[in-house]
Amino acid sequence: DGGITQSPKYLFRKEGQNVTLSCEQNLNHDAMYWYRQDPGQGLRLIYYSQIVNDFQKGDIAEGYSVSREKKESFPLTVTSAQKNPTAFYLCASKGGQVGQPQHFGDGTRLSIL
Amino acid sequence: AQKITQTQPGMFVQEKEAVTLDCTYDTSDQSYGLFWYKQPSSGEMIFLIYQGSYDEQNATEGRYSLNFQKARKSANLVISASQLGDSAMYFCAMREYDYKLSFGAGTTVTVRA
Repeated sequence: DGGITQSPKYLFRKEGQNVTLSCEQNLNHDAMYWYRQDPGQGLRLIYYSQIVNDFQKGDIAEGYSVSREKKESFPLTVTSAQKNPTAFYLCASKGGQVGQPQHFGDGTRLSIL
Repeated sequence: AQKITQTQPGMFVQEKEAVTLDCTYDTSDQSYGLFWYKQPSSGEMIFLIYQGSYDEQNATEGRYSLNFQKARKSANLVISASQLGDSAMYFCAMREYDYKLSFGAGTTVTVRA
């Protein structure tokens, strides 16, 4: 079955530590996205990539970094510069046609120890 | 300025009744798309329905229909014959020229037996 796999499901970060969230898709989609969701809130765009080796900042990119070395993979690193990283992180991908929806992974819950 | 406004933080609906979730949007683009997603308590985002700005007919998908009023910039979701499994958070989202999605704050729907 095609889909998006996010790992781990739960992640804990110590102060001053960088952590990396994995996102892999086998849908052959060119575009991939990272969102942050705080409790009771909507999704906010962190970074997105429309093609391999290229990515753009979203609305809340500070304290995060990404890479897109392979079409299937779009890992997100939450750096120590992100002072409030506790949130639910969702990865999505999208095919090329205009009306195609973004498909989402199951998310990673990040907490501070 | 908010691009997507969902004014109902929470709603209760009786099983088998219909419920309408409000969504208004703000854009100066002529070409845009509107999406509705469902987020159960487990966290995954499930695509429900899509309406393109040039689509003349309101979109329907099973028990979901989208009441699209372009002049009023509204894209309300109607869920007919509510089921207990419809209890979830519902998000309205808009895609503009840059193919990014902007999400509203969401509406929590609770279906009562």
